[in-house]
Amino acid sequence: DADVTQTPRNRITKTGKRIMLECSQTKGHDRMYWYRQDPGLGLRLIYYSFDVKDINKGEISDGYSVSRQAQAKFSLSLESAIPNQTALYFCATSDSVVYEQYFGPGTRLTVT
Amino acid sequence: AQKVTQAQTEISVVEKEDVTLDCVYETRDTTYYLFWYKQPPSGELVFLIRRNSFDEQNEISGRYSWNFQKSTSSFNFTITASQVVDSAVYFCALSEPYSSASKIIFGSGTRLSIRP
Repeated sequence: DADVTQTPRNRITKTGKRIMLECSQTKGHDRMYWYRQDPGLGLRLIYYSFDVKDINKGEISDGYSVSRQAQAKFSLSLESAIPNQTALYFCATSDSVVYEQYFGPGTRLTVT
Repeated sequence: AQKVTQAQTEISVVEKEDVTLDCVYETRDTTYYLFWYKQPPSGELVFLIRRNSFDEQNEISGRYSWNFQKSTSSFNFTITASQVVDSAVYFCALSEPYSSASKIIFGSGTRLSIRP
């Protein structure tokens, strides 16, 4: 089984809808991250969490919110989706900033 | 400021050629970490290597090698005798553990295409 899982893997939604992307990990890491990937822009950090009570904004948090339900679960919500939030979203975990991040398989989100 | 530049947007070579992917970084810290990730067409992100700023030794892993030069702030990645399976987008990344709130900054990626 994969160490970092994301659901759904693909989602098409309409403008204005609320959508939640979920991430679960079995690596036992404290740190979890949400990124979005757009063509030519690499990965940009949306939110990150060091533990259940510690959540921080990344460079592009506007229009997004997160919830760290447990050490192993970190959800990303789009309260009112808009077309420019169409992207590939990745969840990642690490046990320290000095070590590599382990990524989930990604969620391809399309907002029409 | 923390920044990673991968100036090569796309590279295309014929199989068995050697290819080098460039990565230039900017940091004001003396302690930092550099990473390379591979994103094959299937979309997942695969960790390849991590280096810390105190270890400038080059590393070789099979057909892959990495050249870390602090003097030029570069961490280049070379694939020797490239294969079609090496076709992917490759990302270089930088973290500053003591000053940038535990973030890893990614470059924009280099799309590598290996032609048979």
